[in-house]
Amino acid sequence: AQSVTQLDSQVPVFEEAPVELRCNYSSSVSVYLFWYVQYPNQGLQLLLKYLSGSTLVKGINGFEAEFNKSQTSFHLRKPSVHISDTAEYFCAVQLNSGTYKYIFGTGTRLKVLA
Amino acid sequence: AAGVIQSPRHLIKEKRETATLKCYPIPRHDTVYWYQQGPGQDPQFLISFYEKMQSDKGSIPDRFSAQQFSDYHSELNMSSLELGDSALYFCASSLNRENSPLHFGNGTRLTVT
Repeated sequence: AQSVTQLDSQVPVFEEAPVELRCNYSSSVSVYLFWYVQYPNQGLQLLLKYLSGSTLVKGINGFEAEFNKSQTSFHLRKPSVHISDTAEYFCAVQLNSGTYKYIFGTGTRLKVLA
Repeated sequence: AAGVIQSPRHLIKEKRETATLKCYPIPRHDTVYWYQQGPGQDPQFLISFYEKMQSDKGSIPDRFSAQQFSDYHSELNMSSLELGDSALYFCASSLNRENSPLHFGNGTRLTVT
């Protein structure tokens, strides 16, 4: 069975500090990897995606993530966060076969402190 | 740029009533997904459609049904509503089934009283 694990349910960090949100996955088939951000009462927005190629992918708002196949991880990073980055962040995988199902992690609430 | 449109934004129903949620995907997107998100929860996959056919089924109750129409819009029909159905319901569309990110609407907040 496939699964996505976001170990940190909440991450508080001071403004302008770096942050890393962790994501690990388990799958018997190859996957595509995504990070989404959700602001209160809004839908999820795509931050970045890994489909193939370079394992370091850059997204919007200064975020980046690195795909590590051996560790089955796709951690999200930002070198300097802003108050406006306060939101819920979801890691997701899409199976590269069959129904191409999406599986979401349980989310990490990033709270940026002044 | 056009986005996924969901209607209504808010819906209040009483127990045992029915509700219909509508989703209009981004033009040329042929795949639609429905998710249910409870307070503080991650989105739970309900059902998806590809080219107007049901593609995959998740934790959708038997009281719910959905379809995708010829113009690719989709409707989620919910009957015999229960208090536990209160949630944010998201629709998402993608350009194709494979390696295409999901584009989410802003959701329909359903409150069952």
